[in-house]
Amino acid sequence: GDSVTQMEGPVTLSEEAFLTINCTYTATGYPSLFWYVQYPGEGLQLLLKATKADDKGSNKGFEATYRKETTSFHLEKGSVQVSDSAVYFCALNSGGSNYKLTFGKGTLLTVNP
Amino acid sequence: GAVVSQHPSRVICKSGTSVKIECRSLDFQATTMFWYRQFPKQSLMLMATSNEGSKATYEQGVEKDKFLINHASLTLSTLTVTSAHPEDSSFYICSAREGPSFGTQYFGPGTRLTVL
Repeated sequence: GDSVTQMEGPVTLSEEAFLTINCTYTATGYPSLFWYVQYPGEGLQLLLKATKADDKGSNKGFEATYRKETTSFHLEKGSVQVSDSAVYFCALNSGGSNYKLTFGKGTLLTVNP
Repeated sequence: GAVVSQHPSRVICKSGTSVKIECRSLDFQATTMFWYRQFPKQSLMLMATSNEGSKATYEQGVEKDKFLINHASLTLSTLTVTSAHPEDSSFYICSAREGPSFGTQYFGPGTRLTVL
């Protein structure tokens, strides 16, 4: 079945540091890939997505590239801010009935001033 | 665009009572809505999937008689926790899928349920 493995946290960085959160997946067919962000006490917000191989999703300075050969979708940001502190979830959708999402376990990021 | 609301954001109830949570897609028609449960510091657990006008499909291990889901229109789904007990206390999150969007789900802000 489908699965998502993401880097275990927590991750603690200083402001303006470079961020990478690794995500790899196992899926049948050609899944769509997503990064969602959850701020404390809130629901999930779609951060970025990619729907086919070599696509790059980007938003708010975050980027992730769909790498079919390595089955990866690593999240990166060149310079993090304190406001980026949140939990980040990698997810995939391989189509099928109702387009269910399969989530990774989430990575807690804390950015210190 | 693609905003999903949930109501209430927090609810506290006594053991044995029922609680209804509403999920609305505000600016699009949701082909499918999903209900998740999230325990502290954990990922989301899918409880059920509902399509408008159809019975919900529940994930294995989720009691359909306890967690009643109604998807009355393309913009509204409700989750009713019947005869709630303290172990039902959790963060419940809904999401909605807009049809031709490669499965992108848009999430509500969540409802914190506390059963005393």
